[in-house]
Amino acid sequence: QSVLTQPPSVSGAPGQRVTISCAGGSSNIGAGHHVHWYQQLPGTAPKLLIFDNINRPSGVPDRFSGSKSDTSASLAITGLQAEDEGDYYCQSYDTSLGGSRVFGGGTKLTVV
Amino acid sequence: HLQLQESGPGLVKPSETLSLTCTVSGVSITSSSYYWGWIRQPPGKGLEWIGSIYYSGSTYYNPSLKSRVTISGDTSKNQFSLELASVAAADTAVYYCARLFCDGANCYSYYYYYMDVWGNGTTVTVSS
Repeated sequence: QSVLTQPPSVSGAPGQRVTISCAGGSSNIGAGHHVHWYQQLPGTAPKLLIFDNINRPSGVPDRFSGSKSDTSASLAITGLQAEDEGDYYCQSYDTSLGGSRVFGGGTKLTVV
Repeated sequence: HLQLQESGPGLVKPSETLSLTCTVSGVSITSSSYYWGWIRQPPGKGLEWIGSIYYSGSTYYNPSLKSRVTISGDTSKNQFSLELASVAAADTAVYYCARLFCDGANCYSYYYYYMDVWGNGTTVTVSS
């Protein structure tokens, strides 16, 4: 059971827009801790996609965007492409039980 | 060019200690701008935070693993290491090392650092 809750899977057709939610609580996202998103393509290591809720690292297309509100965050992907297929993880910091970085359970994106 | 490379035994026996090393190239682990961390991923499952170390030697561990984890640094080799004691089958996973970075006004706090560069990962199986 992850501290941050993500849908197990989402899907969309090429060119479409999909969103992935990340629900937290008062000890993590709701406490003001930033949300970061990682993309893990099949057979590869995770890669930073969004940092500090809304920012894209250099080289990440502007098709990817992040948002945060109250105790949740979302990742939006527009103009879906076949190469976007993979797993997406949100991550924040949780101050309960001694404090630690926490991940969502991950969402598998399928481009149909 | 910044690179992180994990290394260590791929097979560990139950109740023994898992030991992994992350070799960093392209930046010094003594830089005050970064933390250095370990994350793992059991087969077919999600990511789990293990812990991190700062250039000063300060360490921060996942409370659920804290009693079994030790992270240390070797500045002469520009490496940092993970030891996980008393392993069991549930510790079978791909283990990643990563650099933690912070960009902005909040960088006074460890909370705000995120994993901006990852190693390729190394698979560790716990089995007799």
